[in-house]
Amino acid sequence: DGGITQSPKYLFRKEGQNVTLSCEQNLNHDAMYWYRQDPGQGLRLIYYSQIVNDFQKGDIAEGYSVSREKKESFPLTVTSAQKNPTAFYLCASSIGGTASALHFGNGTRLTVT
Amino acid sequence: GQQLNQSPQSMFIQEGEDVSMNCTSSSIFNTWLWYKQEPGEGPVLLIALYKAGELTSNGRLTAQFGITRKDSFLNISASIPSDVGIYFCAGQKGGTSYGKLTFGQGTILTVHP
Repeated sequence: DGGITQSPKYLFRKEGQNVTLSCEQNLNHDAMYWYRQDPGQGLRLIYYSQIVNDFQKGDIAEGYSVSREKKESFPLTVTSAQKNPTAFYLCASSIGGTASALHFGNGTRLTVT
Repeated sequence: GQQLNQSPQSMFIQEGEDVSMNCTSSSIFNTWLWYKQEPGEGPVLLIALYKAGELTSNGRLTAQFGITRKDSFLNISASIPSDVGIYFCAGQKGGTSYGKLTFGQGTILTVHP
């Protein structure tokens, strides 16, 4: 079955530590995205990548970094510079950026204490 | 970054009742999408709208793309307990916003049997 796999489901870190969230897709999609979800708010775009070895900042990129070395993978690093990192992180992909083809993974809940 | 204004924030209804929620924006969108998210999972696409005035159905769900391109609504008829979840609207502007979605804050739907 094709889909998007995010791991781990739950992640706990101490303040000051960098942490990397994994996102892998086997849908052969060109575009991949990272969104952050906080209670009572919609999803906010962190970074997106339309093609391998290229990515752009979204609306809330500060304190985050990404890489896109392979089409299937788009890991997100939450750095110690992110002031409020505790959140639910969602990875998504789409065919050539078409919005209607946006498929989401099941998310990683990150808790930083 | 801009977010869409989605209302109501939450709804508590009896099984069998109809549900209506809407999304408004101060700017124009070329595509409107409606997603449903269940606890601990990623959002799943329900309906995609591509043309102003378009009315599209998916089973008991009906959504419309507003004539002004600045709003959209979603109706659910004859609600059932499995309709419970968070419903998000999302808009895409097109052009240089290729693939990027702006989300509403979500409507939390609770259905009492």
